[in-house]
Amino acid sequence: DTEVTQTPKHLVMGMTNKKSLKCEQHMGHRAMYWYKQKAKKPPELMFVYSYEKLSINESVPSRFSPECPNSSLLNLHLHALQPEDSALYLCASSPIGTGAYEQYFGPGTRLTVT
Amino acid sequence: GENVEQHPSTLSVQEGDSAVIKCTYSDSASNYFPWYKQELGKGPQLIIDIRSNVGEKKDQRIAVTLNKTAKHFSLHITETQPEDSAVYFCAASPNTGNQFYFGTGTSLTVIP
Repeated sequence: DTEVTQTPKHLVMGMTNKKSLKCEQHMGHRAMYWYKQKAKKPPELMFVYSYEKLSINESVPSRFSPECPNSSLLNLHLHALQPEDSALYLCASSPIGTGAYEQYFGPGTRLTVT
Repeated sequence: GENVEQHPSTLSVQEGDSAVIKCTYSDSASNYFPWYKQELGKGPQLIIDIRSNVGEKKDQRIAVTLNKTAKHFSLHITETQPEDSAVYFCAASPNTGNQFYFGTGTSLTVIP
């Protein structure tokens, strides 16, 4: 099973709202990722968790707050977002070892900030 | 850092013809090269990958070739079908860390 699940599929939120995106995988992968993808663009890396610890933060604004409660779950907490944050938010997971490994993506959450 | 260029940005082919998408990379430390297919409204799906110790890899109608000396790799789809229509992204990754550097994408349309 190479499935990464994400909820919700769609989210509309106002600029003063607080919401969370959820991601789950049961492949035993110990690296998990959040990406942001704008229309007709490649995914843009936001955060990487390795062994449940934040290992990469690509200078993402503090209104995005990631959390990795355990090795299967990844959350992205959203607060005081701007309309330009509207995008497809993708979660991915991969094994960790010597060298680079394939990343498996979830279906994404389509976020609209009004 | 790594820079990945991808061409063409759009590609239209007749059903049954072949399609080729090319990527170049800049960092000689990159040694893993995956290809993703993204259909409208879905997340990217890994379709094939290749590591730097291999020159070519094939999976049914899909093949990837790698030229380490020239720092370029290509995706080849033979006998294209309408369901191959999607956006395709190449990526490169160095041996250390978990980061992928994506190309800008190719929108492939297969005309029935």
